[in-house]
Amino acid sequence: RKEVEQDPGPFNVPEGATVAFNCTYSNSASQSFFWYRQDCRKEPKLLMSVYSSGNEDGRFTAQLNRASQYISLLIRDSKLSDSATYLCVVGYNKLIFGAGTRLAVHP
Amino acid sequence: DVKVTQSSRYLVKRTGEKVFLECVQDMDHENMFWYRQDPGLGLRLIYFSYDVKMKEKGDIPEGYSVSREKKERFSLILESASTNQTSMYLCASRGRLNTGADTEAFFGQGTRLTVV
Repeated sequence: RKEVEQDPGPFNVPEGATVAFNCTYSNSASQSFFWYRQDCRKEPKLLMSVYSSGNEDGRFTAQLNRASQYISLLIRDSKLSDSATYLCVVGYNKLIFGAGTRLAVHP
Repeated sequence: DVKVTQSSRYLVKRTGEKVFLECVQDMDHENMFWYRQDPGLGLRLIYFSYDVKMKEKGDIPEGYSVSREKKERFSLILESASTNQTSMYLCASRGRLNTGADTEAFFGQGTRLTVV
């Protein structure tokens, strides 16, 4: 079983849609949680950190459920520019990446 | 801005060659990482280092070694390159806040290595 698992997608959604990505992790000692975004042929970049209380940044909301070892990312009012691969990342002394979920937003 | 710089964007090497991939960060970060990224497999950790001269194996260290002689530089070495090491290699660094918590990871632009 992989340490961090994500639905690979692709998710094909129209502009304006709401889309949710889920991620599960296996190591209960994990201490830090992130969502990264990766555009084609580019390096991953931080989208947002994920906190136990949940956090929001504009159209993006991240949630963490430690008991279920589950992380989510909600994107509201999708834009064409949101098309990318979204990586779930879990850390303790090292960072473990999920394989990523592809999102394609179409007009 | 944090800057993580990898020495090459594209590299073509022959089977059996010894290959050096260099990574330099300018933020005095303690932790540095080497990943490879392949389609459908995501980023897989090869080696990481949490201090000068310290190194830890990641999930796929076979065929690789690393060197961290200075805090800002972390080198990945392919002792004898093979075609199955053709991949995108990504270096990352991560610091520590005053609270003791770690920052997020910052990535270099990647090196696309082709072994022929």
